[in-house]
Amino acid sequence: DIQLTQSPSFLSASVGDRVTITCRASQVITNYLAWYQQKPGKAPKLLIYYASTLQSGVPSRFSGSRSGTEFTLTISSLQPEDFATYYCQQLNTDPFTFGPGTKVDIK
Amino acid sequence: EVQLLESGGGLVQPGGSLRLSCAASGFTFTTYAMSWVRQAPGRGLEWVSAISGSGDRTEYAGSVKGRFTISRDNSKNTLYLQMNSLRAEDTAVYYCAKGGRTIFGEALDYWGQGTLGTVSS
Repeated sequence: DIQLTQSPSFLSASVGDRVTITCRASQVITNYLAWYQQKPGKAPKLLIYYASTLQSGVPSRFSGSRSGTEFTLTISSLQPEDFATYYCQQLNTDPFTFGPGTKVDIK
Repeated sequence: EVQLLESGGGLVQPGGSLRLSCAASGFTFTTYAMSWVRQAPGRGLEWVSAISGSGDRTEYAGSVKGRFTISRDNSKNTLYLQMNSLRAEDTAVYYCAKGGRTIFGEALDYWGQGTLGTVSS
């Protein structure tokens, strides 16, 4: 199975901060990586697909990039509604594994 | 508006069975792959299973292969997950999610609100 590791696992930040979350895949997955946001008690929400394509309706402060098997989610200016847990998922090879998550908390 | 509504969760004893349903609306159901994703209490997301739009291809996580069966009834716009030989570690909120036109490569763009399945004696 393809393993995804996320770093950091926890991040404390302030409103207005630039935030970067990294997801590393254990094998090549081309661009078949998605990013989701989940708030407590809610279903996940798709933010980014194909590594860097912004889902319709998602604010442009969210962006994604890829370098080999390393993927990055960037929030350019953190807003109060962005405090949540973020997950990456690879869709290249089944099982379509998720990363362990990165919780973004208020500093 | 895309809507996914799960049902069928509940309390079951170890070794028992549950059948989850997900009623879909707001899109052409037969065109899209569908998945089940679960989340144990206080834990991260775990992909469970996926099925193609026509239902002719299915994929499973190793942890559920041989015990769970995904299926769909395109005439009823409904996705199912039959869960047998349940274990305590299957306790989770189960989400259904809409995929793309193929199982592979396509992210999950709409999710239901989830249904809780609890396995306990």
